[in-house]
Order: sequence, then C-alpha cells, then structure tokens
Amino acid sequence: GQNIDQPTEMTATEGAIVQINCTYQTSGFNGLFWYQQHAGEAPTFLSYNVLDGLEEKGRFSSFLSRSKGYSYLLLKELQMKDSASYLCAVPRGGSQGNLIFGKGTKLSVKP
Amino acid sequence: DSGVTQTPKHLITATGQRVTLRCSPRSGDLSVYWYQQSLDQGLQFLIQYYNGEERAKGNILERFSAQQFPDLHSELNLSSLELGDSALYFCASSVDLRHEQFFGPGTRLTVL
Repeated sequence: GQNIDQPTEMTATEGAIVQINCTYQTSGFNGLFWYQQHAGEAPTFLSYNVLDGLEEKGRFSSFLSRSKGYSYLLLKELQMKDSASYLCAVPRGGSQGNLIFGKGTKLSVKP
Repeated sequence: DSGVTQTPKHLITATGQRVTLRCSPRSGDLSVYWYQQSLDQGLQFLIQYYNGEERAKGNILERFSAQQFPDLHSELNLSSLELGDSALYFCASSVDLRHEQFFGPGTRLTVL
C-alpha cells in the first residue's frame, strides 16, 4: 500500500532550527515533494528530492534517503511567518503527478 | 500569487444541489489537478488532466466529474451535494507530469 507519516504538530522558538520528518511507503518511487500551507491558503511548493542527500535552498533544506523511505525538512533561523503546516507528498505508485499527501505537520513558532 | 486562478472563492449551497468550480492554470501549464481538503482527511487527490485528456483518477466520487477544455481551463462538477462534501477544493497545475504543482487559492464549498 501507499502511506505517508508525519508528526501532527511541532512547536519551536523563533531563531531556532527545526526538523520535520516524513516516512513513506510507495510501490514505486518518483521523487518526494514538500509543500508549505498557511491556514486557509493554498499549498506552496518548497522542495523536490529524487536522489538521496541534502538539497539546500536558503533557510530551508530537504533530505532524502530512498533506502529508508525517509525524508526531512530542515528549517533554520525560524521566523514567526514560518508557522504553517508542512506537507510531505509522493507520486502514487511511482506515477507522475498523481500526488499522495501526508496529513501535514502543523508548526507553531513562538517568540 | 501562483498564477493559477479559481472561481468562485466561496460557495454556499444546499444539499442535493449541483455546483461547478472553475480553474485556469498558469500560462503554459498543460496539466491540471483537482484536490479536496477537509479538516479530517487532509489533501486528497481527485483527478488529473493533461492537455485535455484525463490521466489519473483518485478518490473521486461518482457524483463528481471534471473536464479540461481546449483552452486548458478546467471545471469540476459536483452534484447531489451532501453535507460531507463541504471542503476546500484546490486546483493545481504543472508544466508537465514530472514537475512541481502550483496551487490556486481554492474554492471553499459549504453545503447546508
């Protein structure tokens, strides 16, 4: 079957670093996406990993281990505006485009 | 602003009714996706079109249908509405099937 697991909620302090984990099970693999979603708004694309390793993009980095079915999103120098849900997604059955989303991790950044 | 537009922004209707949600993809994007997001279910994939053709179906009910027109805009039709259909409906588009999807602002549907 296909499944994505993420922690439901996390809390961190402004200026700190937080790591949001995602584990997935899929019958094929065609990359892993991270999206950010503020309450009531549209998800916005953050990163895409298809090879193992760390991809860095400003304050955000994403890591993938295909052998472990594991990814994490690392947010550095947290700002209040980073309070949002972070969604991990993989294409269904190794297809292209047909994404399965995790239920999201709601991150609260406190002063 | 992702470049994907959706109308209407809000829709309030009654059980048993039929509604149509509209989506215009980003300029140049050939692929359109529809998602439903409710509080308890998260973001659920409904259906995908590529250049006018249906490419994949997800958890889409038989009461729901969609199409993509020659100008690449798409419509999602929801009929015989039930209370449980109340949700945010997002449209997304991508340049092709392999690339990241850009989401529209969503249509909030309330069925009373």
